[in-house]
Amino acid sequence: DVKVTQSSRYLVKRTGEKVFLECVQDMDHENMFWYRQDPGLGLRLIYFSYDVKMKEKGDIPEGYSVSREKKERFSLILESASTNQTSMYLCASTVAGGPGEQYFGPGTRLTVT
Amino acid sequence: SQKIEQNSEALNIQEGKTATLTCNYTNYSPAYLQWYRQDPGRGPVFLLLIRENEKEKRKERLKVTFDTTLKQSLFHITASQPADSATYLCALDSSGGYNKLIFGAGTRLAVHP
Repeated sequence: DVKVTQSSRYLVKRTGEKVFLECVQDMDHENMFWYRQDPGLGLRLIYFSYDVKMKEKGDIPEGYSVSREKKERFSLILESASTNQTSMYLCASTVAGGPGEQYFGPGTRLTVT
Repeated sequence: SQKIEQNSEALNIQEGKTATLTCNYTNYSPAYLQWYRQDPGRGPVFLLLIRENEKEKRKERLKVTFDTTLKQSLFHITASQPADSATYLCALDSSGGYNKLIFGAGTRLAVHP
């Protein structure tokens, strides 16, 4: 059974803290994505990666960075968390050739206080 | 810029009826379109993909249509059940490749017994 896992389901952090969200997929997918989801706004792409050590900015990269040192693992980093980064964060992966469905993790509900 | 619109109001229907959800898009001609289901607090799950040269796609009780002239997709659930209650997301392939998707904000469906 294919799977995308995320390191935490719920996370509470203080303003200014550095936050790491980790995503692992077991499907040998080349492409991995980080989204945030807010009510009424849908899923918005933060960053994506199409290969190890490769990354591309999505639509809302400000305040975030990413790391992909291994094919199966894609990390999202909030360098200095702010309250406007309180959101649901979703990781997804997909194969390199298209079109392909995206497989999502369960999400991390991050609250920054 | 590319824009996707889904009805933000919840759709309430009676069990056994057909639910029809709408996805409209502008400023783009996607090669394919996908529909996902999302339950509260969980990541989206892929349901169906339809390509630009396909008018209709079916999977069990689900049917998707794709009208590239109207720039619209319709998603139907026939013989709806309370278990079909969820938020349904429409997603278009992004011109950036890498199986990147642009998601609509979703429509919440509530099926009442």
